Amino acid sequence: EADIYQTPRYLVIGTGKKITLECSQTMGHDKMYWYQQDPGMELHLIHYSYGVNSTEKGDLSSESTVSRIRTEHFPLTLESARPSHTSQYLCASSGRTEVSYEQYFGPGTRLTVT
Amino acid sequence: EDQVTQSPEALRLQEGESSSLNCSYTVSGLRGLFWYRQDPGKGPEFLFTLYSAGEEKEKERLKATLTKKESFLHITAPKPEDSATYLCAVNMYSGGGADGLTFGKGTHLIIQP
Repeated sequence: EADIYQTPRYLVIGTGKKITLECSQTMGHDKMYWYQQDPGMELHLIHYSYGVNSTEKGDLSSESTVSRIRTEHFPLTLESARPSHTSQYLCASSGRTEVSYEQYFGPGTRLTVT
Repeated sequence: EDQVTQSPEALRLQEGESSSLNCSYTVSGLRGLFWYRQDPGKGPEFLFTLYSAGEEKEKERLKATLTKKESFLHITAPKPEDSATYLCAVNMYSGGGADGLTFGKGTHLIIQP
């Protein structure tokens, strides 16, 4: 079954640690996205990719970085976690047709930095 | 500035009591308007895409409509399992920038048995 996966689902980590949030999709989508969502607030785009070796920053400034070495994989890395990075991180992907802009989301990673 | 505003912020209904959620938008060059459902602790689940004014989409007890300034999500005879946060998002022509979605804050819907 085609789907989008995120690991870990929950992460509690101390300040200063390096972390990588994993995102993989089996839908064959070229476009992938990372959003950040604080409780009760809107989702905000922080990174996107149109394909392998393509990465761009989104509307919301973020200290995280991303890479896209394989089509199905779009990991997000924080080199030194801080309490201000505590949030829910959602990965999404969208289809290959020019008229289809629907984005499909993974279950999210809830990150807590202590 | 492009904006998506959803109302009401929260809505409590009795089972079977129909109602509508509103999403108003002020964007230039709308490419698509999307409705998602989000359950606590989960990622948004795609419901509908609307591309042009006058368009309507239906799925079970949900019906989405679109005008030039707003969209409505109509819920007919809701059941407790329809309880969730409903998110509205737009995708716009941005002249080469990101084609990410711009989201509203959502409407938190509770259906009481």
